[in-house]
Amino acid sequence: KAGVTQTPRYLIKTRGQQVTLSCSPISGHRSVSWYQQTPGQGLQFLFEYFSETQRNKGNFPGRFSGRQFSNSRSEMNVSTLELGDSALYLCASSFGGFNNEQFFGPGTRLTVL
Amino acid sequence: GESVGLHLPTLSVQEGDNSIINCAYSNSASDYFIWYKQESGKGPQFIIDIRSNMDKRQGQRVTVLLNKTVKHLSLQIAATQPGDSAVYFCAENEWFRAGGTSYGKLTFGQGTILTVHP
Repeated sequence: KAGVTQTPRYLIKTRGQQVTLSCSPISGHRSVSWYQQTPGQGLQFLFEYFSETQRNKGNFPGRFSGRQFSNSRSEMNVSTLELGDSALYLCASSFGGFNNEQFFGPGTRLTVL
Repeated sequence: GESVGLHLPTLSVQEGDNSIINCAYSNSASDYFIWYKQESGKGPQFIIDIRSNMDKRQGQRVTVLLNKTVKHLSLQIAATQPGDSAVYFCAENEWFRAGGTSYGKLTFGQGTILTVHP
């Protein structure tokens, strides 16, 4: 079956702009989690959505937000971009229950200039 | 965040050697652990998992050992190959309960860079 897909794969923005990233989970998976990966901080959990509801949230400012649609596809939005937001943004999907094995997409590389 | 100022540990081995990658986890309540492999330009890929009621689990060429007493995980790769070169992450799963259902949140370790020389 098809894996997790993320679009776009690469994005260049300037400070102050906003960006929306998209994630399509594996068919049948209802949970989508988002992570930020940087060389300095590693993999940091942003938030998790399950059945269109945010179930869990990491320690990021309110500029980072997300949503999930009825087909389990998810988007994350970052407003008022800062240079420090440059990172690889990873999406992972899972069934969301007791088995929390998460499958990752290839990520979106965001560069903020 | 959970990790600050990362300088990833590195492990260099010769092709055919066995590799051991270590990971310390922080939450004694975590009861599910996963090892991921991340190759350059790709997202992390699941390798093997283990639940806290086990000390050891074996897969194809990989073995995970769990020592709950000292909160330590290790990943052993047998007969390491150049294709095994990647960054390896351990992740611990912390459970939450709400609305009658349980769900987990993964916290990742800093990662270890494995380089395999032919």
